[in-house]
Amino acid sequence: GAVVSQHPSWVICKSGTSVKIECRSLDFQATTMFWYRQFPKQSLMLMATSNEGSKATYEQGVEKDKFLINHASLTLSTLTVTSAHPEDSSFYICSASRGNQPQHFGDGTRLSIL
Amino acid sequence: KQEVTQIPAALSVPEGENLVLNCSFTDSAIYNLQWFRQDPGKGLTSLLLIQSSQREQTSGRLNASLDKSSGRSTLYIAASQPGDSATYLCAGGGTSGSRLTFGEGTQLTVNP
Repeated sequence: GAVVSQHPSWVICKSGTSVKIECRSLDFQATTMFWYRQFPKQSLMLMATSNEGSKATYEQGVEKDKFLINHASLTLSTLTVTSAHPEDSSFYICSASRGNQPQHFGDGTRLSIL
Repeated sequence: KQEVTQIPAALSVPEGENLVLNCSFTDSAIYNLQWFRQDPGKGLTSLLLIQSSQREQTSGRLNASLDKSSGRSTLYIAASQPGDSATYLCAGGGTSGSRLTFGEGTQLTVNP
């Protein structure tokens, strides 16, 4: 089946630093990648949708200058949390899809900002 | 705007029991409905996907149904096992390949 790899799985960093999370589709070309955020005991909330070679479309309330998304190839998308603060601590999950196919999810990245 | 609700939020059952998890959605123009499993601190595992033209899907001990007219989906788990303990999420999809709207999940505990 389709495999999506997310890296790192866990990161701890100081407040004010920037953190990059990678999402790779290992065995298929992903025309669309999605980034979700999940706070403890809550469900997944879509942050943004990115199509390869295009600017990401952000959901209402998500700051595009804080959460930088790059989808430069059909197998890789990155999410950079700039100047991270403790309130950005969360579980970030990416998914990837090809055309009309269902989304395949990565294993998530737990981000802890001290 | 699609809204997805899951009931109950938590469920604890003894091993071997059959159980039903419920999911409701507000927009009947749903393209598909997916059920996922999430273990603590992990990503999502897709369990079943029901297209809007379908009424149900089955995989092993799992059966999911979809009733667009009433805005409901159910996940039936037969002969539950402790290994079934996890959070179960349902998600409604818009047009093909587009965003998914997730419910808040049902946390299932199956006691040995």
